[in-house]
This record gives sequence, structure tokens and C-alpha cells, in this order.
Amino acid sequence: QITLKESGPTLVKPTQTLTLTCTLSGFTLSASGVGVGWIRQPPGKALEWLALIYWDDDKRYSPSLKSRLTITKDTSKNQVVLTMTNMDPVDTATYYCARVDNGDYVFQHWGQGTLVTVSS
Amino acid sequence: QLVLTQSPSASASLGASVKLTCTLSSGLSSYAIAWHQQQPEKGPRYLMKVNSDGSHSKGDGIPDRFSGSSSGADRYLTISSLQSEDEADYYCQTWGTGAHVVFGGGTKLTVL
Repeated sequence: QITLKESGPTLVKPTQTLTLTCTLSGFTLSASGVGVGWIRQPPGKALEWLALIYWDDDKRYSPSLKSRLTITKDTSKNQVVLTMTNMDPVDTATYYCARVDNGDYVFQHWGQGTLVTVSS
Repeated sequence: QLVLTQSPSASASLGASVKLTCTLSSGLSSYAIAWHQQQPEKGPRYLMKVNSDGSHSKGDGIPDRFSGSSSGADRYLTISSLQSEDEADYYCQTWGTGAHVVFGGGTKLTVL
């Protein structure tokens, strides 16, 4: 069974760096064509794509947030990590990780999400 | 510019059918999209991918009541025999040059 689970702090202060971890189960990111992305959703608002990393370490970033984002993978731990610098209250959102297949961009399996609040 | 437009809300009666629309920005009528469902207080769930020719491929366990189609720059999600659990937000997603991913603003479906 394919599952993804997000973890990280629930509260961060403005200007701090956020680090989120997505732990994969039922599949490995070393498999050809597999990728994992991060998507966020502010309360009551729409989904917003952040970043995507593929099995071959190819990385893609949202143009509007690229300067603040870094996505990496740890194949030995079967995890994907997203860091976002200079956090602001407008970054308050539920952060999801999700899997893509076949080198595609369609998010076919989603995690349950983790709510991150940015406040002093 | 890659933009997906969805109506903010839709409604239909229990047992009826509803057709949700996702419109691709000008010049992008050849693009495929994906539909995702988000029930209240839950994470999104992948429903299907819809190609420009109207063909679609559904995710695991998605009921036959859900189907997709296309016309020009419009991509559709049709839900027949509406059930109470279909009340949810529905998002379309696409991707473009440079592998940038975009989501639509979502449609909130109310089942009356």
C-alpha cells in the first residue's frame, strides 16, 4: 500500500526556516519514473504547488517561490525533505506531499497533510 | 501563461448528475489535466487524468460514476448518481513548459 506522511513543526516564527519531511511507504523514490512533490493550501484557499523531485534527482520549483525552496531526497531513509526560508504569516498553510509516476506531473497519491502556522 | 479557471461553486440534487468545468488559458487546448477531490477536512484524492481528446484514466478505486471529457480548452468532470459523500471541493491540475505545475481555484460542490 502506497502511503506518504508529512511531518515537521506545527508552529514557526517569522523569518525562520521551515523543514518538512515526507516519509514514503509502499514504494521507493529510487524506482524509475517516480517523483514526490510538495503542495500547500492556506486555510480556506486553493492548492498551490511548491516543488517536485524525481528518482533521478531532477528538481522543479514554483517560479514564484524558487528562491526560498530547497527539495532533497534521502533514498536510504525513503524520505523527501522540503526547506522553505524566511517564513511569513502568509505561509500559514497545510502542507501536503504527493507522488507522481512515469516521470509525469500528475499527483496520484497524497499524504494527509500537516498544518504549519507562522506566528510570533 | 498557464492558468486554469474553475467556477467557485456548483450544486446538484442527490441522485442527479453534475458536470464541472476546468478551462485552460488561451492557446493551451492541447494540454491534459488531472482532477482531484477534497472532502471536508481531508487531504486531496486523485480522481483522473483527462486528455485533450477526451480520453481519461482514473485512479485506483474511483467509481464508474466519475467520468471525464474534453471540448476545446475545456476539461470536464461529470459525476452521476450524486451521493452525499460527493460533496467536496474539486481541483483541476495541469503542467507546462519547464514542468511548472498549476492548480485551478477549485469548485465547491454542494449536494442538495
